[in-house]
Parts: sequence; C-alpha cells; structure tokens
Amino acid sequence: DTGVSQDPRHKITKRGQNVTFRCDPISEHNRLYWYRQTLGQGPEFLTYFQNEAQLEKSRLLSDRFSAERPKGSFSTLEIQRTEQGDSAMYLCASSRGSLGEQYFGPGTRLTVT
Amino acid sequence: RKEVEQDPGPFNVPEGATVAFNCTYSNSASQSFFWYRQDCRKEPKLLMSVYSSGNEDGRFTAQLNRASQYISLLIRDSKLSDSATYLCVVNPSGNTGKLIFGQGTTLQVKP
Repeated sequence: DTGVSQDPRHKITKRGQNVTFRCDPISEHNRLYWYRQTLGQGPEFLTYFQNEAQLEKSRLLSDRFSAERPKGSFSTLEIQRTEQGDSAMYLCASSRGSLGEQYFGPGTRLTVT
Repeated sequence: RKEVEQDPGPFNVPEGATVAFNCTYSNSASQSFFWYRQDCRKEPKLLMSVYSSGNEDGRFTAQLNRASQYISLLIRDSKLSDSATYLCVVNPSGNTGKLIFGQGTTLQVKP
C-alpha cells in the first residue's frame, strides 16, 4: 500500500500523559498536513510542512502540541499533558505542492480519559 | 461566522432521487474549491474539484458562484453507496495548500 499511513490507529490515554502520533506520507509528496476532527465537524487545519520546514501553525495548536518532520519524510505530532478536550481524530494528509490533491491517512483516534 | 458553512442535514432520499447540497464561504480571495466524501469513521477522500465553469463527473455536478461565494453539488440517480458525509472544502490561498472544511452534509440514501 503506497498511501498515507498513520500509527497508531487508536490511542487511549489518561489526562496528563504525553502522546505521539506518526504519519508516513506518500513518498514523493513534499507537503504534509495535520488536521484534527471532532465528532460532527469537518477537519480543522493544525499545521503543515514543506519538506522538513514547518511553515504554518494554526492557533488551535497550543504550546502543548509540537510537530516535526525530520528529513522531510515522516512526521510526528506530540501532545503533552493531554486534556479531555484533545480527544479527536488526528488526520494527516500529503500532497505534491500546494495545489496538488491532498491524500489523507486513516487517522489516529485519540481518547483522553 | 464560520469560514465554510454547510447545512449538516441529514438528507434522507430514496434511491434514484436527485439531491443538491450547497455551501457558502466567507473569504472572497479563496483560490480553489473541492467536494470531499467521508464515510463513517473513515478518512476524507476527494470527490471532485469545483471550477468556475462548473464541472461534471458522471452523476455528480459541481458549480461555483464566485460572486455569491457559493458552491453546490448535485447528485443524480442516487445510489445506496452514495450514503456518506459530503464536505465542502476551500483552499483560501494557493501558497499554503491548507484546506478549510465545512461541517459536512450527511446523505442517507434509502432503498
């Protein structure tokens, strides 16, 4: 399968714990995006990378969130000191350039108890 | 005001019906427009791009009215397999590529 992959698919954690998610984009895609989706809502933009450079962060991305894309390949999204409000589906997408179609991964469903 | 607004529905229609979804967007400088489809607990997938001249893909027709900042999707001859959430999506800037999604409109096609 050469699509976007995400790991883990599901994560249950206790409030206050740190979690890290991984996204592997389609190999020739230089753009990588993170979105968050809560029940009944459309995905909301969090941040994006062009190669290894993080070029924009949404104000939704508090200082407890950090994302990296070392070497411009896979990306990680870390949430520190999780809160119940962080419970959501975290989606990763990749594209070739800013106008290329964005392909989404299956998402990581986070539940904070 | 949300950047992209859609009626969440649900729209319940019989097989074979024609159904139309609308959405409005607030940023008049928006560059590109799309409809994505999302099945329950799955990732969004691109259904079609939306062009100013209007475009058609089989049973699906998309229209864009830049003056009214309005996007529509028409589905003809609905199939059971069309049941899903349809997301209206706007790219506000050609530089970033970030997508702004509407809330989604849920369609349920019944036999």
